[in-house]
Amino acid sequence: EVQLVESGGGLVQPGGSLRLSCAASGFTFSSYEMNWVRQAPGKGLEWVSYISSSGSTIYYGDAVKGRFTISRDNAKNSLYLELNSLRAEDTAVYHCVRESSVGVIITFGDYWGQGTLVTVSS
Amino acid sequence: QPVLTQPTSLSASPGASARFTCTLRSGINVGPYRIHWYQQKPGSLPRYLLRYSSDSDTQQGSGVPGRFSGSKDASTNAGLLLISGLQSEDEADYYCAIWFRSTWVFGGGTKLTVL
Repeated sequence: EVQLVESGGGLVQPGGSLRLSCAASGFTFSSYEMNWVRQAPGKGLEWVSYISSSGSTIYYGDAVKGRFTISRDNAKNSLYLELNSLRAEDTAVYHCVRESSVGVIITFGDYWGQGTLVTVSS
Repeated sequence: QPVLTQPTSLSASPGASARFTCTLRSGINVGPYRIHWYQQKPGSLPRYLLRYSSDSDTQQGSGVPGRFSGSKDASTNAGLLLISGLQSEDEADYYCAIWFRSTWVFGGGTKLTVL
């Protein structure tokens, strides 16, 4: 059974930092691209960042570029997101989301973790 | 103007059909894009419904009933999600997404009310 379990969220002051983790199991983690997607309370889905299966290719959304850093450790079946210079508008549940590609055919979001809540407030 | 625009809400009756639109910004042609669709019920995770690019390039999510289907309307430059035989359990938020210029972009979501 595919499982994605996030951790590391919490309450942080504006300007602070957090490191989120996502532990993957039930599939060959090193074969899949991964993403972080967030959802602010009562709002829609917002894509945050992408990392390729090897970690060699990374992309970020404009709202977090320069402040967040995505990484992965395939030996530990884990995905990470380093959040710096946090703002009130970063308050959201952060989900790790699996993506798979077969050639140019991409399936995005077939599995989602339950998410971890990040609250940025003084 | 957002890359993807979805109506805020949609209402339909049980047993009827619902048609969700995901309109691409002017200047972005829907033709080449694979449109992903998700369902999110209150308090639940988004669920992958399907991916649609054409009738020969489409994928149903695992366990997703055949009454959920995708399409495109070139005349309105939109991806479509069609649900037939609406049930009360279909009441949820529905999101579309595309891979655009090395980013995933979501639409703002449409809230479906079944009444």
